[in-house]
Amino acid sequence: AQSVTQLDSHVSVSEGTPVLLRCNYSSSYSPSLFWYVQHPNKGLQLLLKYTSAATLVKGINGFEAEFKKSETSFHLTKPSAHMSDAAEYFCVVSDTGRRALTFGSGTRLQVQP
Amino acid sequence: DAGVIQSPRHEVTEMGQEVTLRCKPISGHDYLFWYRQTMMRGLELLIYFNNNVPIDDSGMPEDRFSAKMPNASFSTLKIQPSEPRDSAVYFCASSSGLGLSRETQYFGPGTRLLVL
Repeated sequence: AQSVTQLDSHVSVSEGTPVLLRCNYSSSYSPSLFWYVQHPNKGLQLLLKYTSAATLVKGINGFEAEFKKSETSFHLTKPSAHMSDAAEYFCVVSDTGRRALTFGSGTRLQVQP
Repeated sequence: DAGVIQSPRHEVTEMGQEVTLRCKPISGHDYLFWYRQTMMRGLELLIYFNNNVPIDDSGMPEDRFSAKMPNASFSTLKIQPSEPRDSAVYFCASSSGLGLSRETQYFGPGTRLLVL
């Protein structure tokens, strides 16, 4: 069975400072991993995905994530936070060959001016 | 492409009434998913279809919920009778079965359901 643990339910940073959102996963197979973002009262937008190619994945809006198999982690980072980054972020895992996604519980990112 | 389209965007109904949520997937996508999002349970997969056929409905909470996909461009999620605990945001998503993007799901804007 697959599962995802987002280690922080809330993260607060100042504008212009780095962002780190942590995610650990558990999967029986070679997983595909995703980060989605949800702005208030909006749908989910794909930020980036890892599918067994390069371990450092670059996404939209300056975000990137690094797949570390030895640590079973897929942390999301951004060098400099912007006010528009304030949203909820979901780490998601999909086992190869299955179609169902398993979502983490989400991390709410606040960006202070 | 217009993306995944859901209607209505908001629905307020009274307990006991029938509710029908609609979804139009991205053209060419052969997988369609229904999710429910609540504060208590987060995002849960309810059911998904491949080529209009239901593949996994193990997430459907109970017999009051049913989903259909009569053709490749339309799906419905029906709740009959509705109950206050069904209040949630319901998302539809679609994906392609082919190529490098085959596992990426694209989400609609959601339907916010409130059952009074």
